[in-house]
Amino acid sequence: EAGVAQSPRYKIIEKRQSVAFWCNPISGHATLYWYQQILGQGPKLLIQFQNNGVVDDSQLPKDRFSAERLKGVDSTLKIQPAKLEDSAVYLCASSPHRTRNTEAFFGQGTRLTVV
Amino acid sequence: DAKTTQPPSMDCAEGRAANLPCNHSTISGNEYVYWYRQIHSQGPQYIIHGLKNNETNEMASLIITEDRKSSTLILPHATLRDTAVYYCIVRVDSLVKQLTFGKGTKLSVIP
Repeated sequence: EAGVAQSPRYKIIEKRQSVAFWCNPISGHATLYWYQQILGQGPKLLIQFQNNGVVDDSQLPKDRFSAERLKGVDSTLKIQPAKLEDSAVYLCASSPHRTRNTEAFFGQGTRLTVV
Repeated sequence: DAKTTQPPSMDCAEGRAANLPCNHSTISGNEYVYWYRQIHSQGPQYIIHGLKNNETNEMASLIITEDRKSSTLILPHATLRDTAVYYCIVRVDSLVKQLTFGKGTKLSVIP
């Protein structure tokens, strides 16, 4: 089966600019996650969707970050305005809607550099 | 979710077994142990998970101590392609519980 698709793979922007990332999860997966991974650290959850509803966005900096998942399929993550500390890899993952023992499938990520 | 402790780095000779330890002394009875790995420039990849019994799949074996306070991931015949950061995660099996990653163990497989 096709994996989680993310685009773009790389993005360089200046601080205070805006940027958007796109994710297409595995077909049929109801749960979608966005993670931020700063160099040398493990991924940190930003937001989790169940279909098109938000389950957890407690670690999303809502003053500058936003995410949506229209129609419960594709998702976009936006940063506006970007700061230097937003430089990181942004990972999208999806899980099937099962009640037990769900593993998450990750995309390759988008590497963002803010200069 | 319970906190995990892993060594920051380990080396393993190619072809030998790689044994990666994880301490999770505060694990609750309904928390599973998951292992993921992340190869350079890729997203994390699921390896294996278990509750209290030892588990084995085509990638690895997971040994959980009887008191469940620690576990070991075993790669039986490490190859260069197994060089990666390995994350041990404990979580309740629930749709609304996300994976919380620590810093993991950087495994280097040496020729």
